[in-house]
Amino acid sequence: GENVEQHPSTLSVQEGDSAVIKCTYSDSASNYFPWYKQELGKGPQLIIDIRSNVGEKKDQRIAVTLNKTAKHFSLHITETQPEDSAVYFCAARTAGNKLTFGGGTRVLVKP
Amino acid sequence: EAQVTQNPRYLITVTGKKLTVTCSQNMNHEYMSWYRQDPGLGLRQIYYSMNVEVTDKGDVPEGYKVSRKEKRNFPLILESPSPNQTSLYFCASNWDRNSPLHFGNGTRLTVT
Repeated sequence: GENVEQHPSTLSVQEGDSAVIKCTYSDSASNYFPWYKQELGKGPQLIIDIRSNVGEKKDQRIAVTLNKTAKHFSLHITETQPEDSAVYFCAARTAGNKLTFGGGTRVLVKP
Repeated sequence: EAQVTQNPRYLITVTGKKLTVTCSQNMNHEYMSWYRQDPGLGLRQIYYSMNVEVTDKGDVPEGYKVSRKEKRNFPLILESPSPNQTSLYFCASNWDRNSPLHFGNGTRLTVT
């Protein structure tokens, strides 16, 4: 089955700097890649997603890139703010519609 | 307000004592699912349901039961909890299997 690896497991950045989280997947048939943000005491919430026919997608300060050949995708957060501190999860959905999550990245934005 | 509601938020129990975690959604979603979150392992699916009376196993179903008697409710049942089921549990719902998941706020379970 699909295996999704996420790095790093923790990331500390200075406010205003950029943060990058990387994920690799194993199933070349995976076609949908969402990113979820989990704030303390809450459930994960979708922040951005990308489909396999697109290489990059942006939404204000966040962007996701996808390299199908290398089977990896990344989340980029620019101009980080304290409210970006959270746990971020990547995921990949296979052609069989099963969603597999990465292990999560705890991001800390230092003021 | 559209939401997924889980209860309780925190639960401490002893090995072997049956428990139920409730989940309810008010968005008329067809799909509902349960996940457990453990450090470094991300979210792993326990069970999911495509509609009333239709359920199927996820990746880690051992030791859990579910039921879907009504569209809005999807309780998670641990008939004989064990310490390895200590975890953070999330219920989620979505329109269909291709749409984004809406998660509840979690239930932190400790089994001693």
